[in-house]
Amino acid sequence: GNSVTQMEGPVTLSEEAFLTINCTYTATGYPSLFWYVQYPGEGLQLLLKATKADDKGSNKGFEATYRKETTSFHLEKGSVQVSDSAVYFCALSDSSYKLIFGSGTRLLVRP
Amino acid sequence: DTGVSQDPRHKITKRGQNVTFRCDPISEHNRLYWYRQTLGQGPEFLTYFQNEAQLEKSRLLSDRFSAERPKGSFSTLEIQRTEQGDSAMYLCASSLGTNRNEKLFFGSGTQLSVL
Repeated sequence: GNSVTQMEGPVTLSEEAFLTINCTYTATGYPSLFWYVQYPGEGLQLLLKATKADDKGSNKGFEATYRKETTSFHLEKGSVQVSDSAVYFCALSDSSYKLIFGSGTRLLVRP
Repeated sequence: DTGVSQDPRHKITKRGQNVTFRCDPISEHNRLYWYRQTLGQGPEFLTYFQNEAQLEKSRLLSDRFSAERPKGSFSTLEIQRTEQGDSAMYLCASSLGTNRNEKLFFGSGTQLSVL
């Protein structure tokens, strides 16, 4: 079945460091890909998405490119801030519109 | 847009008791989803509705679980004869239901603890 695999956390970085969180997927057909974020004490919210191969999603300085050849959707940010500390979930949307999530990666950014 | 609201925020119950959770989606959203999330894991799909019709149920949803969405508005998730393994955060989400690229709006969840 369809699935998403993320790198395990926690990822601990200093402020202004470069961030990469790896995400790979297994799916039949051509899923849409998403990154959702969960800030402390808040609900899940969409960070960015990409709907077809080679699309790049971007928001708040974060980027991810839909790579069909490597079945990946890695999240990157050039310079993280303390306020980026959160749990990040990679997800795919299958033909029935439901989201299938990875296990999440906790990011901790130190000042 | 008042967002997706869930009630209660927390529920503590004894093993064997029945519990019911409520979700109020964003008005005009046709799709409503239930997910379960345990500590350190991503949300796991349980079931979803298109208006009042329940279109898919996960294998995770045993016969002790039942969900309804009367009149296509709010939804309830009931767990009968709760077990300690049911302890988790139960999340509700809603969307317009027009395509698979659309954003899901999540509630803050109901944290269930089964003693």
